Amino acid sequence: QKEVEQDPGPLSVPEGAIVSLNCTYSNSAFQYFMWYRQYSRKGPELLMYTYSSGNKEDGRFTAQVDKSSKYISLFIRDSQPSDSATYLCAMSELQSNDYKLSFGAGTTVTVRA
Amino acid sequence: NAGVTQTPKFRILKIGQSMTLQCTQDMNHNYMYWYRQDPGMGLKLIYYSVGAGITDKGEVPNGYNVSRSTTEDFPLRLELAAPSQTSVYFCASSSSMSSYEQYFGPGTRLTVT
Repeated sequence: QKEVEQDPGPLSVPEGAIVSLNCTYSNSAFQYFMWYRQYSRKGPELLMYTYSSGNKEDGRFTAQVDKSSKYISLFIRDSQPSDSATYLCAMSELQSNDYKLSFGAGTTVTVRA
Repeated sequence: NAGVTQTPKFRILKIGQSMTLQCTQDMNHNYMYWYRQDPGMGLKLIYYSVGAGITDKGEVPNGYNVSRSTTEDFPLRLELAAPSQTSVYFCASSSSMSSYEQYFGPGTRLTVT
């Protein structure tokens, strides 16, 4: 079993739709939860991070963490063609191991104009 | 501000050849990382470094070597290239204060034939 599971998609939605992405994980020691966005043939860039459980909102993006279910989500509201990218979830433990990230496989999203 | 730079962008190697992938960051980050990304597999950590002169193995270190003589540079050496090393390689860096926020380079696409 992989430490972090993420459905690779692909996911295709019309412009303006809500995009819902999620990951599950098995390591209960994870404390930091990140979403990275990767455009085609580019390096990943950090989109959002959440420490422990709860919700975090940043403009059209909302990240949710449910540690009891070992489940994290990313929602994109009013999706735009510029949101077309691969979204990778990433997680790390606290303290001395927090520089090691465990990544999901990434979900490829296409927003159709 | 260049961030993380990687050279070369593309390379084709024959089986058994060796090469060095270069990585430089200008953000004065202590932590640096090398990942490989295979289709549908997410990012796998090859080696990482928490400072000049300190390196350690990640999840998939076999067939690779690294060195860290300066804060800025973190080259990755491939010895005796094999087809299984065909991948996209990303270098990343982060500060020790927010190591979950990793800054990635543009990647090197390597094909071993």
